[in-house]
Amino acid sequence: GQNIDQPTEMTATEGAIVQINCTYQTSGFNGLFWYQQHAGEAPTFLSYNVLDGLEEKGRFSSFLSRSKGYSYLLLKELQMKDSASYLCAVRERNTDKLIFGTGTRLQVFP
Amino acid sequence: GAGVSQTPSNKVTEKGKYVELRCDPISGHTALYWYRQSLGQGPEFLIYFQGTGAADDSGLPNDRFFAVRPEGSVSTLKIQRTERGDSAVYLCASSLTGSGNTIYFGEGSWLTVV
Repeated sequence: GQNIDQPTEMTATEGAIVQINCTYQTSGFNGLFWYQQHAGEAPTFLSYNVLDGLEEKGRFSSFLSRSKGYSYLLLKELQMKDSASYLCAVRERNTDKLIFGTGTRLQVFP
Repeated sequence: GAGVSQTPSNKVTEKGKYVELRCDPISGHTALYWYRQSLGQGPEFLIYFQGTGAADDSGLPNDRFFAVRPEGSVSTLKIQRTERGDSAVYLCASSLTGSGNTIYFGEGSWLTVV
């Protein structure tokens, strides 16, 4: 089975950098996804990591270490609109099923 | 279509009634997922289709829940004898393949059982 852990809430200041961590335990791994979800809206895709290392996409970067069962999402130059929940999800190798953590609610203050 | 489309966007039903929720995935996407999300929680896996077949239905909570995808595109999630605990947002997602590196979500169907 899968177990995914991420902090429940985080706060940060506009213009700052924040790192949201995700740890996972899995019987078979086939990729890790990060999604952003604003209240009352659908999750929107941010990033996908299947190999170790850092993937950078504009202000957002995502890192993966498969040996440690660890990922983080890095958000730079925070804006007020980045206030949202950030969901970490792991895909199982044999089933392609995507399992989500409970999400990290990020609040950005001016 | 341009994105994953779900209907209805909102549904209020009485306890004990039957409900159908529809998902129209992105054209050409073979993988389709159903999730359920309660307030303050992450999406909870229900069922995954690869083409017409259910590749994994281990997340369906009980036999009141059933989903079909007869032609490998549109899918319908069916809930019989609804209970108040079924109230949640039901999210559908699709991907080009089961191992695709991008999975797109629809806006969800908000189900309220009164």
